[in-house]
Parts: sequence; C-alpha cells; structure tokens
Amino acid sequence: DTAVSQTPKYLVTQMGNDKSIKCEQNLGHDTMYWYKQDSKKFLKIMFSYNNKELIINETVPNRFSPKSPDKAHLNLHINSLELGDSAVYFCASSQWDRGNTGELFFGEGSRLTVL
Amino acid sequence: DQQVKQNSPSLSVQEGRISILNCDYTNSMFDYFLWYKKYPAEGPTFLISISSIKDKNEDGRFTVFLNKSAKHLSLHIVPSQPGDSAVYFCAASAQGSGGSNYKLTFGKGTLLTVNP
Repeated sequence: DTAVSQTPKYLVTQMGNDKSIKCEQNLGHDTMYWYKQDSKKFLKIMFSYNNKELIINETVPNRFSPKSPDKAHLNLHINSLELGDSAVYFCASSQWDRGNTGELFFGEGSRLTVL
Repeated sequence: DQQVKQNSPSLSVQEGRISILNCDYTNSMFDYFLWYKKYPAEGPTFLISISSIKDKNEDGRFTVFLNKSAKHLSLHIVPSQPGDSAVYFCAASAQGSGGSNYKLTFGKGTLLTVNP
C-alpha cells in the first residue's frame, strides 16, 4: 500500500497546455509538499501545505497553482506550460511536531515533458 | 545560490569497503541535516539525520558526522554493499524555534556505485 502516491507518473504535453498532477498520502501526516527536480538535478521546494493551509510558497510562476482539498491530498495545476517546466515533480508529506525529525516521505515522482 | 553543496557528482567503491559521501553548507542558520537515498524511478527515501547539537549519529552501517565549524557533514557507509548503489542527497533545514512546518534545502546528489 503506497504511502505517498502521485498520478500520472509520466506526462508528455505540448507547450501552452494546462495539466494537473495529483498526490495523495495515507500516512496521516499534516503537511504536504511539492518539490521540483530540474535538469540540473537540484530538488527545490515549490509549495507546502499544513492542514490545508499554504505555508511555503517559493518563487514560483503563478502559472503553478497548488490545491489541497484535504490533509491527505495536494494537487498541482500548471497553466500555459512552457519548455522550462519539463522536470520531475515530487510530492512529499511529513508530520512535524516539536521534537519530531520531520523527515519527508516522497512519492515516486511525475516526469513532465513539455514539447 | 547553492546553500547545500555536494561537490562530488559520483563515487565508486568496492563491495566491503567504506563509502564516504561529503556535503558542505553555507547557511549558518541550518540546524538539522538529513541524508536521503534515491534509486532510479523512485522518490528519495530518508536514511539518517543529525541535529546540530551532535557531531555524530550512527544507525547500523550508516554514520553521519557533522563539523559545524567547517560547515561540513559526511555520510560513512561501512561495509558498502552493491544494494547501496544509488544517488545520495544531503539536505538541511533551519528548524529554529519550532513550528508546524519546515523547509529542506537539498544538494545536487552524489551517485554512489558499489562494485561487487
């Protein structure tokens, strides 16, 4: 039973299209994240939600809009896709309490290719 | 601005020997450090962590050393096994006074290959 699951795993689309990636976690965690791994291999945080509230919003184009309908889900919608959006997008979750290590549990990633 | 640096993109060692993966950081506010392991087509998985109040943490074959004055940490794997072959990411956070959320800053990763 997958702890953090993302769909789709692979996505190939044309420039200008709108696409969504969905993420669900069954760990009961209160915090979820979207990370982007680009061609330079850095894993960079994009967004984080805690109990459905947006907590972290890094410098990301407003074409990217996260939505958290509940604590177990965090979806990522991307409008007007550009070539530079091609990357692997990782969803993650954690439970952070005072004293907790706060380690992240990652999904398998969604590879987005924009043509 | 790379706040977490892994200067070796790859490392190759023989099975049974020690693997040493290095990581440097620049942000003095970082007070918690983690290592993640990633196999191809999978997400990173947590391996081991260390708080800035310690200089060493050990878990089985894995030991992380932290040198705060040098802003340097290293992951030692001994003995190395072929199944350890993966990309290893160093990550850091500034947990500060606490809260319900925090942000990890990752390095670029080091590809470890353990040869049988």
